[in-house]
Amino acid sequence: AQSVTQPDIHITVSEGASLELRCNYSYGATPYLFWYVQSPGQGLQLLLKYFSGDTLVQGIKGFEAEFKRSQSSFNLRKPSVHWSDAAEYFCAVGARTGGFKTIFGAGTRLFVKA
Amino acid sequence: GAVVSQHPSRVICKSGTSVKIECRSLDFQATTMFWYRQFPKKSLMLMATSNEGSKATYEQGVEKDKFLINHASLTLSTLTVTSAHPEDSSFYICSAPRRAGGPGGETQYFGPGTRLLVL
Repeated sequence: AQSVTQPDIHITVSEGASLELRCNYSYGATPYLFWYVQSPGQGLQLLLKYFSGDTLVQGIKGFEAEFKRSQSSFNLRKPSVHWSDAAEYFCAVGARTGGFKTIFGAGTRLFVKA
Repeated sequence: GAVVSQHPSRVICKSGTSVKIECRSLDFQATTMFWYRQFPKKSLMLMATSNEGSKATYEQGVEKDKFLINHASLTLSTLTVTSAHPEDSSFYICSAPRRAGGPGGETQYFGPGTRLLVL
């Protein structure tokens, strides 16, 4: 069965500093991988996704993620964090069968300090 | 772009009553929709897969008789929380996948969620 692990419950970074959020997945085949962001009181917004091809994926708001099959990882990065990036970030894996079911990690809360 | 809506956005009800939550895909058809539950400061837990024209598929540990799912049309799925109790209070989110283009063109669109408070 597929699963997603986000080791960090919360992370605090200074505004302007770089960011990396970790994500490890378990899946029997090549997965669909996603990063979503959820701001307080807001719905989920897709930041980026990986299906195939180039393992470095560019997303919205300056985010990128790298798929590393050997490490079963899909870490999210941003070179310079803005205060508005403070939110909950979810890594997710999507099955390629079974109606495109998506399984979420526990989430990482990002705090940005001035 | 594709949009998924949910109604109501929030609902407060008395213990023992039933609450229906609607999930609509506004500009595309979805033969499958998904229902998630999110506890405060927790992740989304997949509850069930809603299938148009057939029975929903429930995840392990989810009570079928408590959470009734009906996928009445290609654009509407409903989740009914029957005989709701305070422990059913949560944030319920639906999603619908949309396939566009070739392989890898699938995108999951999420509704804004429904906050349920059972008193």
